[in-house]
Amino acid sequence: LAKTTQPISMDSYEGQEVNITCSHNNIATNDYITWYQQFPSQGPRFIIQGYKTKVTNEVASLFIPADRKSSTLSLPRVSLSDTAVYYCLVGGDNYGQNFVFGPGTRLSVLP
Amino acid sequence: KAGVTQTPRYLIKTRGQQVTLSCSPISGHRSVSWYQQTPGQGLQFLFEYFSETQRNKGNFPGRFSGRQFSNSRSEMNVSTLELGDSALYLCASSLGGGYRSYEQYFGPGTRLTVT
Repeated sequence: LAKTTQPISMDSYEGQEVNITCSHNNIATNDYITWYQQFPSQGPRFIIQGYKTKVTNEVASLFIPADRKSSTLSLPRVSLSDTAVYYCLVGGDNYGQNFVFGPGTRLSVLP
Repeated sequence: KAGVTQTPRYLIKTRGQQVTLSCSPISGHRSVSWYQQTPGQGLQFLFEYFSETQRNKGNFPGRFSGRQFSNSRSEMNVSTLELGDSALYLCASSLGGGYRSYEQYFGPGTRLTVT
């Protein structure tokens, strides 16, 4: 199982673009990269998933370089409601795989 | 489509008792995973069930067990409760079964307090 490393915390201001990078040097060929968002006392919420290059949806973009050893979650024009913990997970639907959440990145959006 | 539901939402138990938590996955989802979340340890994987079979298990003692029914609903049981079992227990469902996407959809959790 690929281990991930993310910054523990980040601060930003409303309206700014926020980029959170996750390192996963041991990513396997079949692994996907998935990001989740969690608010206090709630379950994590799926944000975006990708395998390579760039993926964009209505809330975020995910940039994955060719070597796939890292990925960057990009949140455009953050608002106060984006204050949350963001988790990067690497894995796929393989039998016998644990889903290990790291400590995540605590994003604080300031007014 | 209804989301993942967990019951009960809150529970208070005494040390030594046992507890059963329930999870109903999204319709059509066959994989159910359970997680424990505490301020000190973060989100920790307990186990995953797919088609009524435990496919994987995290590093928790045998007091923690689970099962999945033919309709994909799942239960987890904790016996001989300890104070350290106080946590938010989260259930997540996904399609599983070899689909390319392993995005999990989490329920609101059950807040267990052991006194």
